[in-house]
Amino acid sequence: GENVEQHPSTLSVQEGDSAVIKCTYSDSASNYFPWYKQELGKRPQLIIDIRSNVGEKKDQRIAVTLNKTAKHFSLHITETQPEDSAVYFCAASRNNNDMRFGAGTRLTVKP
Amino acid sequence: NAGVMQNPRHLVRRRGQEARLRCSPMKGHSHVYWYRQLPEEGLKFMVYLQKENIIDESGMPKERFSAEFPKEGPSILRIQQVVRGDSAAYFCASSPQATNTEAFFGQGTRLTVV
Repeated sequence: GENVEQHPSTLSVQEGDSAVIKCTYSDSASNYFPWYKQELGKRPQLIIDIRSNVGEKKDQRIAVTLNKTAKHFSLHITETQPEDSAVYFCAASRNNNDMRFGAGTRLTVKP
Repeated sequence: NAGVMQNPRHLVRRRGQEARLRCSPMKGHSHVYWYRQLPEEGLKFMVYLQKENIIDESGMPKERFSAEFPKEGPSILRIQQVVRGDSAAYFCASSPQATNTEAFFGQGTRLTVV
């Protein structure tokens, strides 16, 4: 099955700085890559996703890039704010089957 | 359209008892995933089901754990003879049959084994 690795496991940035989280996947047939944000004690919620027919997608301060050849994808958060502090998970799946998550990155944005 | 509903939200069981966790997917969703999350850790895949079928249970321990998603009713994750190490948050997520769309998570069930 799919194996997703995520780095770093913890990330601390100053408010206003950028944060980058990277993931790699093993199954070259994976074609859907969502990112979820989980605040303390709450459920994970989708913040952005990308499909394998595009290389980059942006939504305000959040962007995701995908390199299919290298089998890695990244989340970029610009102008970070304290409310961005949470655990972020990447995931990969093939046609919505067998969605596997990375181990998560705990992001702390210091005011 | 209600979101993914999990119940109970909190469950306390004594060692050796059985735990039943329920997940009602969003209306129209036919795919259900179960994940386990230990404190301060990530989401560990357990099982992926479609209606009346277990598609992938490679993340679920072979003993004491079982899952089902019947034609009618919620998906059930069953843990028999619970041990302290089973204490965790169990999340389910559902997605529609359409490919490459968002999976929605329930609020989770926090199981505590005493």
